[in-house]
Amino acid sequence: DTGVSQDPRHKITKRGQNVTFRCDPISEHNRLYWYRQTLGQGPEFLTYFQNEAQLEKSRLLSDRFSAERPKGSFSTLEIQRTEQGDSAMYLCASSSSSSGANVLTFGAGSRLTVL
Amino acid sequence: AQKITQTQPGMFVQEKEAVTLDCTYDTSDPSYGLFWYKQPSSGEMIFLIYQGSYDQQNATEGRYSLNFQKARKSANLVISASQLGDSAMYFCAMREAVSGNTPLVFGKGTRLSVIA
Repeated sequence: DTGVSQDPRHKITKRGQNVTFRCDPISEHNRLYWYRQTLGQGPEFLTYFQNEAQLEKSRLLSDRFSAERPKGSFSTLEIQRTEQGDSAMYLCASSSSSSGANVLTFGAGSRLTVL
Repeated sequence: AQKITQTQPGMFVQEKEAVTLDCTYDTSDPSYGLFWYKQPSSGEMIFLIYQGSYDQQNATEGRYSLNFQKARKSANLVISASQLGDSAMYFCAMREAVSGNTPLVFGKGTRLSVIA
């Protein structure tokens, strides 16, 4: 069990560019979540998958954001035409639906800086 | 309306002392779960403790205990015998309909600093 892996850990980009983050969940976990965390705030929910199905999306997830989990394993979060307001830590978490408490295990996050 | 409120932006505690971090929540769902996470400066969210709304006893995990007062809708985290490594951000979170698919909602966090 190697935990939840996120790549890249840090990304600096210019406004208007596209960026993509990858998350590899714990292998036996069928649920995968994306959260965004800005400075001084708690994580805010963006979207989540059960297996390959995207079951819920937050209103925070604008049209410029898209997330996929094509084979029910790893997931990608793409931000198109980045804006300075997108600068944040993007956290991925996974869990098992068979776990009673459905505890989320988080990755170390991908920090995005938009110049 | 805020579902999770953490009123202490920052707390200081002397090493080896106990500290209580406050958390109040708002829900009309009778079934919910309450979680505490620790976030060190490295950024990774670390799960500490869980309390279900139907659990009769307060949850404990090593030096962590959750003071669950259902009528007051509070779920305070108690850390006993504080250590320097406990210095971090602490987040309270809630999931409504505990067995369902609703996402975790987090509070704004409390920064704990442990002083030698």
